[in-house]
Amino acid sequence: DTGVSQNPRHKITKRGQNVTFRCDPISEHNRLYWYRQTLGQGPEFLTYFQNEAQLEKSRLLSDRFSAERPKGSFSTLEIQRTEQGDSAMYLCASSWLTRGSQETQYFGPGTRLLVL
Amino acid sequence: DAKTTQPNSMESNEEEPVHLPCNHSTISGTDYIHWYRQLPSQGPEYVIHGLTSNVNNRMASLAIAEDRKSSTLILHRATLRDAAVYYCILHNSGGSNYKLTFGKGTLLTVNP
Repeated sequence: DTGVSQNPRHKITKRGQNVTFRCDPISEHNRLYWYRQTLGQGPEFLTYFQNEAQLEKSRLLSDRFSAERPKGSFSTLEIQRTEQGDSAMYLCASSWLTRGSQETQYFGPGTRLLVL
Repeated sequence: DAKTTQPNSMESNEEEPVHLPCNHSTISGTDYIHWYRQLPSQGPEYVIHGLTSNVNNRMASLAIAEDRKSSTLILHRATLRDAAVYYCILHNSGGSNYKLTFGKGTLLTVNP
């Protein structure tokens, strides 16, 4: 298994443009998470999926953000009308939760977004 | 979420042991203590977790105080590749606490 992959690794865009990031989790992992990390801070939870169902969205996820996980495999995170405050590292993580055990989340390398 | 407190930074010399402390005085009975670390320009990676007893794995050891209000991550022989931000997180994936709540962590510098 090659681990969690994210594409692109870097994205520079102009304010007002739309961007889309992709995450490919470890195969067979039933949970997928998106986090955002700004400089000097720890990652902050954005949203998560159990299979294809999006079960929670953080208040950080404004209406301009949307995430999907069709067929319970890869996931996309789209940001519409980007703002400079969206500049951050976007991290994806996946896990396999089994009853009675503690979950370990496996993170991808992240997509670094810079909004000019 | 229960809060953890860690020093902002620590320094160590290569091949020496490192003890990274974490305080979690408001820990609940069902919270596990998880440690993740984040190497430069990478996503976080799992290190170790425990509930009450001390734990060992190939990466590190976790020493948990008897009252569970503090814990210490122990790297037995630090290498330059251990330079990272270390996060102590209270988490119980068996309950409704599915997301990881990261603080600022401890930045570990390892000197050659």
